[in-house]
Amino acid sequence: EDQVTQSPEALRLQEGESSSLNCSYTVSGLRGLFWYRQDPGKGPEFLFTLYSAGEEKEKERLKATLTKKESFLHITAPKPEDSATYLCAVQGVGGTSYGKLTFGQGTILTVHP
Amino acid sequence: ETGVTQTPRHLVMGMTNKKSLKCEQHLGHNAMYWYKQSAKKPLELMFVYNFKEQTENNSVPSRFSPECPNSSHLFLHLHTLQPEDSALYLCASSQGVAGGGDTQYFGPGTRLTVL
Repeated sequence: EDQVTQSPEALRLQEGESSSLNCSYTVSGLRGLFWYRQDPGKGPEFLFTLYSAGEEKEKERLKATLTKKESFLHITAPKPEDSATYLCAVQGVGGTSYGKLTFGQGTILTVHP
Repeated sequence: ETGVTQTPRHLVMGMTNKKSLKCEQHLGHNAMYWYKQSAKKPLELMFVYNFKEQTENNSVPSRFSPECPNSSHLFLHLHTLQPEDSALYLCASSQGVAGGGDTQYFGPGTRLTVL
């Protein structure tokens, strides 16, 4: 069974204070690892898809990296508008049907001005 | 309309009511999904449709009944729900690439409250 664990559960930063969110996963064979951002009362907004260890992707102040066991979402010089819940999900090849994503519980990020 | 839309955005229903949630995707995708998001719990996959065929039913109680008339529309019919079914119900769609690994895009969700 695929599993995803995100840490920390909550993270409070000052504006401009860089940090990283962790996503540890176990999966029989990785088809893809996905990062989403979710604002309160809204649906998850897609950020990145990573397919293989060593892959990195960047978007504005965010950078996602992937190893065989975990992924990091690095936030450089965050702003208050980066405050949200960040979700990690994996899609594996074994024991799950097509399209099934397994999500972590999320990291709640709060950036203070 | 762009992306994935869901109606209604908010729904309050009694345990004996029957209601339906609607999802429409404007992305030209072939796969559609229903997820449930409860407080303090990870998103849970409920159903998967690929080219209008149901390919996943994640042990969902029969009081939830999905319908996918075409690749752009997805419904979730609700009847005799329980208070613990109160949650945010999210619809998503993806390209439907063979072998998976394609990105799912989510709608804004329907906030359901069962009294």
